[in-house]
Amino acid sequence: QLQLQESGPGLVKPSETLSLTCTVSGGSISSRNYFWGWIRQPPGKGLEWIGSVYYTGSTYYNPSLKSRLTISVDTSKNHFSLRLSSVTAADTAVYYCARRAVRGIINGDAFDIWGQGTMVTVSS
Amino acid sequence: QSVLTQPPSASGTPGQRVTFSCSGSNSNIGSNAVSWYQQLPGTAPKLLIYNNNQRPSGVPDRFSGSKSGTSASLAISGLQSEDEADYYCAAWDDSLNGLWVFGGGTKLTVL
Repeated sequence: QLQLQESGPGLVKPSETLSLTCTVSGGSISSRNYFWGWIRQPPGKGLEWIGSVYYTGSTYYNPSLKSRLTISVDTSKNHFSLRLSSVTAADTAVYYCARRAVRGIINGDAFDIWGQGTMVTVSS
Repeated sequence: QSVLTQPPSASGTPGQRVTFSCSGSNSNIGSNAVSWYQQLPGTAPKLLIYNNNQRPSGVPDRFSGSKSGTSASLAISGLQSEDEADYYCAAWDDSLNGLWVFGGGTKLTVL
């Protein structure tokens, strides 16, 4: 059973860089059938897609975050990472990593497996 | 403000059928598949419906999805108390360079 687990600091200071890693277990990140993404949820609010990465390293970013965002993949460690720079209080949220199946396969074009989420607070 | 529009709340009694709407545009729902997610309090979202009306393995057939034009719907029949949760729709949006968009979510209360 494939599982995703987020890890990283729970508290980040304003103007600094938020860094999170999502470790994939029970399966390989190097599959042609899946993208790997980050989605966040501010307290009491809805879901926002941050961006996705393919095992080849190709990335797709939310235009509203693109200037501050880097998502990368490390196939040797079976994990992918998020870096969001110049954070403010508006970046306070639960951050989820999730797997997205490509179009045309089972669970295609949807986020079918999610990590449990990690709360990140931006505060001095 | 979310790109996909969902009513903020809905309610029903056990055994009833409830439906949730999700309204978008030609660049998202109108040209791409819709997925639906259930988020129980304090937990991560769970995939309920993909490709407009397909259920992943393990999702009861009480849950069904449909799409028409730039709108989509999720229906729950035989409502149960454990269905009390937030429900989100999502779709790929072809505008700009493309991005995933979510609805603002509908909170279901089982009375």
